[in-house]
Amino acid sequence: SQTIHQWPATLVQPVGSPLSLECTVEGTSNPNLYWYRQAAGRGLQLLFYSVGIGQISSEVPQNLSASRPQDRQFILSSKKLLLSDSGFYLCAWRTGMNQETQYFGPGTRLLVL
Amino acid sequence: KQEVTQIPAALSVPEGENLVLNCSFTDSAIYNLQWFRQDPGKGLTSLLLIQSSQREQTSGRLNASLDKSSGRSTLYIAASQPGDSATYLCAVQPGGQNFVFGPGTRLSVLP
Repeated sequence: SQTIHQWPATLVQPVGSPLSLECTVEGTSNPNLYWYRQAAGRGLQLLFYSVGIGQISSEVPQNLSASRPQDRQFILSSKKLLLSDSGFYLCAWRTGMNQETQYFGPGTRLLVL
Repeated sequence: KQEVTQIPAALSVPEGENLVLNCSFTDSAIYNLQWFRQDPGKGLTSLLLIQSSQREQTSGRLNASLDKSSGRSTLYIAASQPGDSATYLCAVQPGGQNFVFGPGTRLSVLP
């Protein structure tokens, strides 16, 4: 069966510090991978998605970047965090673009102080 | 641009009641619609996926319907239980594109 992991679970970082969040998927190959952010009291905002190794699409301009160094690994990064980067970050995967369920990881709660 | 809204934003009901959560979307050209559940501080769990050719899906006490022409979906929960307390999110997939999520309905089922 497929599983999706995210770490760390919780992170507190000062403004201006770098960020690296990792997501890995097990039990499937060549998944589409997604990074979402969920701010307090707001819906999910799609940040990045990837349909293959090294292929990254950005949905909104921002202070963050994403990379996919391996088929089942998706990394969210920042060189200098802003206060507005605080939120709940969710990684998700699905096997294809259409007619398929999307599966979510447990999330990383980031607090930038 | 596809927009998804959910009504109500929050709902509190006594245990045992049947309830309906609503989801509306602005563009009826969708591939599918999915309902998720999110417990506080946790990821999303898929409940039901309705493909564009379907009108409803059922899983246990849950029934989701889809009316593409009116841009609406409902999630019906029968005989609600305290364990059903969570935020329920609706997401639609426009043709060949990524999911667009609604803001969610926060449900509290009181014992």
